[in-house]
Amino acid sequence: SSELTQDPAVSVALGQTVRITCQGDSLRSYYASWYQQKPGQAPILVIYAKNNRPSGIPDRFSGSSSGNTASLTITGAQAEDEADYYCNSRDRDSSGRVFGTGTKVTVL
Amino acid sequence: QLQLQESGPGLVKPPETLSLTCTVSGGSISSNNYYWGWIRQPPGKGLEWIGSMYYTGNTYFNPSLKSRISISVDTSKNHFSLQLNSLTATDTAVYYCARLTKSYDAFDIWGQGTMVTVSS
Repeated sequence: SSELTQDPAVSVALGQTVRITCQGDSLRSYYASWYQQKPGQAPILVIYAKNNRPSGIPDRFSGSSSGNTASLTITGAQAEDEADYYCNSRDRDSSGRVFGTGTKVTVL
Repeated sequence: QLQLQESGPGLVKPPETLSLTCTVSGGSISSNNYYWGWIRQPPGKGLEWIGSMYYTGNTYFNPSLKSRISISVDTSKNHFSLQLNSLTATDTAVYYCARLTKSYDAFDIWGQGTMVTVSS
């Protein structure tokens, strides 16, 4: 099965911009979706189909993709953005799904 | 507003079988717009996709768990279920059910999750 690799942790100053990346072979064929998870809570979808936001997600969240890498960017990070972020995509054979290893974002 | 709710035992003995149910409210499970999935998260670790199903009964499993899992649907009760057998302590996790919207190709609605501990 495929693997999606993320940096374990990143930090960002309040109001600044942070980019989280997700790498994997399946991303050459399929878009990534991105999930935010705060402690003790279920994940919530923040970006789907490369760069689409569900209703209620602030526009400071954006997505992009190039080659085998998908990225989530938070422009003007807020204290409430401190959370774990996971990417997800189809597996290479398209019938399954795979989650990234997760990135902990700290807002300083 | 569609909601998902997991239910099942909080404690299971090894090597018994875990049975969890996800009840869908506020919408129908019998829609060709969605898949329905199970995801788990061991304490302090990341998310792991377990498997997904379509309301017709088609199923897709994580290759690493395929030999131990089954997923079924009961459209009359508007719920779907997960069975995971030959449990070990490594199956201890929060188990989530989620809806995958085909047009999004993403899990857009999640249940709150249920903690399952495997211990004798």
